[in-house]
Amino acid sequence: DAKTTQPPSMDCAEGRAANLPCNHSTISGNEYVYWYRQIHSQGPQYIIHGLKNNETNEMASLIITEDRKSSTLILPHATLRDTAVYYCIVSDSWGKLQFGAGTQVVVTP
Amino acid sequence: EAGVAQSPRYKIIEKRQSVAFWCNPISGHATLYWYQQILGQGPKLLIQFQNNGVVDDSQLPKDRFSAERLKGVDSTLKIQPAKLEDSAVYLCASSYWGVGSEAFFGQGTRLTVV
Repeated sequence: DAKTTQPPSMDCAEGRAANLPCNHSTISGNEYVYWYRQIHSQGPQYIIHGLKNNETNEMASLIITEDRKSSTLILPHATLRDTAVYYCIVSDSWGKLQFGAGTQVVVTP
Repeated sequence: EAGVAQSPRYKIIEKRQSVAFWCNPISGHATLYWYQQILGQGPKLLIQFQNNGVVDDSQLPKDRFSAERLKGVDSTLKIQPAKLEDSAVYLCASSYWGVGSEAFFGQGTRLTVV
């Protein structure tokens, strides 16, 4: 299974864009990149996923490099409610989701 | 649409006792996951089902943990006998077809073993 590397923590100012990096240098051609987040005491929440192309939805944008070895999750206008642990996951051909330690994002006023 | 339902929400048992958790996935979802999340860590995948077949159970401690998904719908996860280190939140998730689909998580069951 392809592993991911994320910074352990990040701070972000409210109203600014938050850019969360993720390295996945051993990703295979048919493996997807997923992003989830977990707010304290809740189950993980799906944010976005992609295979090769950049993706955007109402929550965030996902930018995947051309060689697919890294990606960036962009929260366009961070709010205090975006404070959470963010997980970058590479999913295999069966859709297996292996969580790592994630990035603790703290949004400050 | 209704989300992933789990019960109970909380459970306290003594070590060496047995316990069971129940999960009802979103209707029509073929893939079901069970995770264990110890305080301060990310969720650890215990078992993944595709319909009623097991896709991956490589991290399931099979000497004490068991899981089944009868008829490819509801699922139960059992621990027998429980150890102190089993204290954790047990999360269930489901997705339409695994690869390429998003998974939705339940609220989890918080287990405390004393």
